[in-house]
Amino acid sequence: GESVGLHLPTLSVQEGDNSIINCAYSNSASDYFIWYKQESGKGPQFIIDIRSNMDKRQGQRVTVLLNKTVKHLSLQIAATQPGDSAVYFCAEKGGYQKVTFGTGTKLQVIP
Amino acid sequence: DAGVIQSPRHEVTEMGQEVTLRCKPISGHNSLFWYRQTMMRGLELLIYFNNNVPIDDSGMPEDRFSAKMPNASFSTLKIQPSEPRDSAVYFCASSQVQVTGELFFGEGSRLTVL
Repeated sequence: GESVGLHLPTLSVQEGDNSIINCAYSNSASDYFIWYKQESGKGPQFIIDIRSNMDKRQGQRVTVLLNKTVKHLSLQIAATQPGDSAVYFCAEKGGYQKVTFGTGTKLQVIP
Repeated sequence: DAGVIQSPRHEVTEMGQEVTLRCKPISGHNSLFWYRQTMMRGLELLIYFNNNVPIDDSGMPEDRFSAKMPNASFSTLKIQPSEPRDSAVYFCASSQVQVTGELFFGEGSRLTVL
């Protein structure tokens, strides 16, 4: 039969606007949550992480928010640029260094 | 500073053939991960090693898949015999234990099984 691929949610953002990418995680015992960026034809690249005992962490142009009550993670990108166009994955680190990835969100920046 | 090095970058083979993918982690990293990425399933963790010892291989699809890490600077993922459904991009990643969970990925090996 015909195979059906994953339908990646897509976020389209105007250049210069802020982007918010959301993720639901599954394991309440995870101790770190991480965001990765994957550009076409490349491996995922680390952006920012947050420890489970924190609710917010800021980097350069990026902010990660963690809501453990509803098991929700978000990545905010300020002043989105064309180079931010990629697929973004949230990941969680559980026991003994095991890192598992979510399904990803495609970010399209409109010039 | 060299990152994670994977080979081959691309491989096309016929069903039934043996495939061996290779990975050299970043020097000093003591955890190594093999992931598979497909449109159907996204990024799946196949197996990971800590200090060259396999810790969790529950993601390995079936007995046709095997992985080894004979030393701290080399790992292989072998598929024997290969099948068309094994077509995917296989990523190797490494990290340091006791650090945050930041993984350093290679560029991937794109496998096509005809």
